[in-house]
Amino acid sequence: DTGVSQDPRHKITKRGQNVTFRCDPISEHNRLYWYRQTLGQGPEFLTYFQNEAQLEKSRLLSDRFSAERPKGSFSTLEIQRTEQGDSAMYLCASSTGTGTDTQYFGPGTRLTVL
Amino acid sequence: DQQVKQNSPSLSVQEGRISILNCDYTNSMFDYFLWYKKYPAEGPTFLISISSIKDKNEDGRFTVFLNKSAKHLSLHIVPSQPGDSAVYFCAATSGSRLTFGEGTQLTVNP
Repeated sequence: DTGVSQDPRHKITKRGQNVTFRCDPISEHNRLYWYRQTLGQGPEFLTYFQNEAQLEKSRLLSDRFSAERPKGSFSTLEIQRTEQGDSAMYLCASSTGTGTDTQYFGPGTRLTVL
Repeated sequence: DQQVKQNSPSLSVQEGRISILNCDYTNSMFDYFLWYKKYPAEGPTFLISISSIKDKNEDGRFTVFLNKSAKHLSLHIVPSQPGDSAVYFCAATSGSRLTFGEGTQLTVNP
């Protein structure tokens, strides 16, 4: 399977703990995106990378959130000092970054903060 | 500011009939529109897309129509099948981030 993969699929943590999620994009996709989805809503954009450069960040991405894509391949999203409001599905998507640029999503990481 | 809206939270149709899902947008800079299907606990699956230079795109049972003057797009599924039951999201972009609607839960009854 050469689709977008995410790890872990589920994470339960206590408030105040740090968590890190990983995303592996489709091979040779230059762009990688992070979104967050809460119940009853559509996914909301968090940030995206063109290769290793982080080109855009949403105002939703508070200073407790940091994302990296150090070698332009996989990416990590870290949340520090988690809060109950961080509970959501975190989705990763990738695209070629050229032409009509369709984004393909991974299965998501479900975060529950107790 | 909800730039992409799906006004119907749910839609129920009979197997074999047509399903029509609607989406409205406000940002005239959007130039590419997509429909995704989502099952619970899974990521969105890409279905079909349309560029703003077109008004219709077909792929098998799925057709997307775009009315730029009305800032409206719709997804037609014909014939509908029980396996089509899922949440459908429309999304729009002007080059990078996707802006999603709230989703429509489609239920196809056998």
